[in-house]
Amino acid sequence: NAGVTQTPKFRILKIGQSMTLQCAQDMNHNYMYWYRQDPGMGLKLIYYSVGAGITDKGEVPNGYNVSRSTTEDFPLRLELAAPSQTSVYFCASSYSSIGTGRETQYFGPGTRLLVL
Amino acid sequence: AQSVTQLDSHVSVSEGTPVLLRCNYSSSYSPSLFWYVQHPNKGLQLLLKYTSAATLVKGINGFEAEFKKSETSFHLTKPSAHMSDAAEYFCVVNVARNTGFQKLVFGTGTRLLVSP
Repeated sequence: NAGVTQTPKFRILKIGQSMTLQCAQDMNHNYMYWYRQDPGMGLKLIYYSVGAGITDKGEVPNGYNVSRSTTEDFPLRLELAAPSQTSVYFCASSYSSIGTGRETQYFGPGTRLLVL
Repeated sequence: AQSVTQLDSHVSVSEGTPVLLRCNYSSSYSPSLFWYVQHPNKGLQLLLKYTSAATLVKGINGFEAEFKKSETSFHLTKPSAHMSDAAEYFCVVNVARNTGFQKLVFGTGTRLLVSP
């Protein structure tokens, strides 16, 4: 299994440009998450999905959009990039059937984004 | 509201000496607690998690954590540090209850430095 994969690894955007960060998992996980990590901080949740076709906002969703058309893929769309979106973005996935809250999240290697 | 506080932003140890990374939590009920490790330019990896089955939790790479309800602590320990342990460590609490969706709240992280 490749686990959770993310592309690209690094990207520089100009202010106002748009881009899509790709995330895929091959573990048949139902839950998928997008986080951002700012320097010296923990991760903050942007969006999450409980299954194909179902997404919801996290703590910091402004300026982002997501979709989940398949179990495997969960792309994150940035519209009109702003310097405040300079960050490292992590995708994660987990599997839950009975919802104990103690499931393990598996993280991708991250995408480093610089908006200038 | 549930939260975690990591008491040290940096911890420096010598190779072969014990490691102690401190985490206090606040919760009105039995929390779902995790320790994740992040090596430089990598994604996060689960070290261990508290499942309420035992207060002493064993994780990967020789790490342990003890859940102490009376002290509201979940400190991470390792008897003997290795150079490869140098990384950022996050104490994490899931603030969502009884659901497969996890709303993870991250501590601010502790950077572990290991010297030869």
